Amino acid sequence: DAKTTQPTSMDCAEGRAANLPCNHSTISGNEYVYWYRQIHSQGPQYIIHGLKNNETNEMASLIITEDRKSSTLILPHATLRDTAVYYCIVLNAGGTSYGKLTFGQGTILTVHP
Amino acid sequence: NAGVTQTPKFRVLKTGQSMTLLCAQDMNHEYMYWYRQDPGMGLRLIHYSVGEGTTAKGEVPDGYNVSRLKKQNFLLGLESAAPSQTSVYFCASSNSLGYNEQFFGPGTRLTVL
Repeated sequence: DAKTTQPTSMDCAEGRAANLPCNHSTISGNEYVYWYRQIHSQGPQYIIHGLKNNETNEMASLIITEDRKSSTLILPHATLRDTAVYYCIVLNAGGTSYGKLTFGQGTILTVHP
Repeated sequence: NAGVTQTPKFRVLKTGQSMTLLCAQDMNHEYMYWYRQDPGMGLRLIHYSVGEGTTAKGEVPDGYNVSRLKKQNFLLGLESAAPSQTSVYFCASSNSLGYNEQFFGPGTRLTVL
C-alpha cells in the first residue's frame, strides 16, 4: 500500500472551511484514498473515500488531484466538535487487503472559537 | 442499533495474568478486527476475521489469540499479560463489500503492571 504524508497539525477558525492535505505520490491505479478521524479517546470514525473523482457526503468533501498523487479533505464549516486527529489512508480495495487499515500519525486539527 | 460495543471499558492486570476482551456488533457484519493504539501512535492491526469461524494475523499478533465462534462476537485473549501490552484496544467491524469502511467501538483501556 502507498505511503502517505500529512502535516502534523493544523488550526482552523470555527465556521471556516478546514482543508487537510495528504500526499500519496506512490499511489497505484487500483488504490483508493480513505479518510478517518479520531476524536479524543474515541474510536476512529470513517469519513469518506475516493478513487479518482471528487467525492462529497454529509460530513466532508474529498478532492483528488488529476495525477492522484495528493488529495485534500474539506470540512466546509468546521465546528469545535471537528477537533480531532485526521488520518489519510491509501490502500487497495480488493485482493487480500481485507480491510487491513494502516493508521499513520495523522493531522491534529484544532478548531478555535 | 448499539453498533460496536466492547467489554470491559477499563482493566488493570498484573504481569502474567490472563483476560479476554469481548467485542460485539449488531450490524450483521462479516468482517471484524482488533487494533491496539499506543500513546501518540496510530492504530495497529492485531488480528482480524473475515467470517464466523475464521481468524487471521494482522501486523502485531504476538501475545494475543482470537476467536470468532459467533458472527456477532470477536474475542481477543491475552494468555500471559506483559507490560508491553498496556494499550488502548479498539474493535471494528465492516461488511464484506465495504470492508474498508469500518465501524469502531469505544475502546478498552488496558494497563498491565
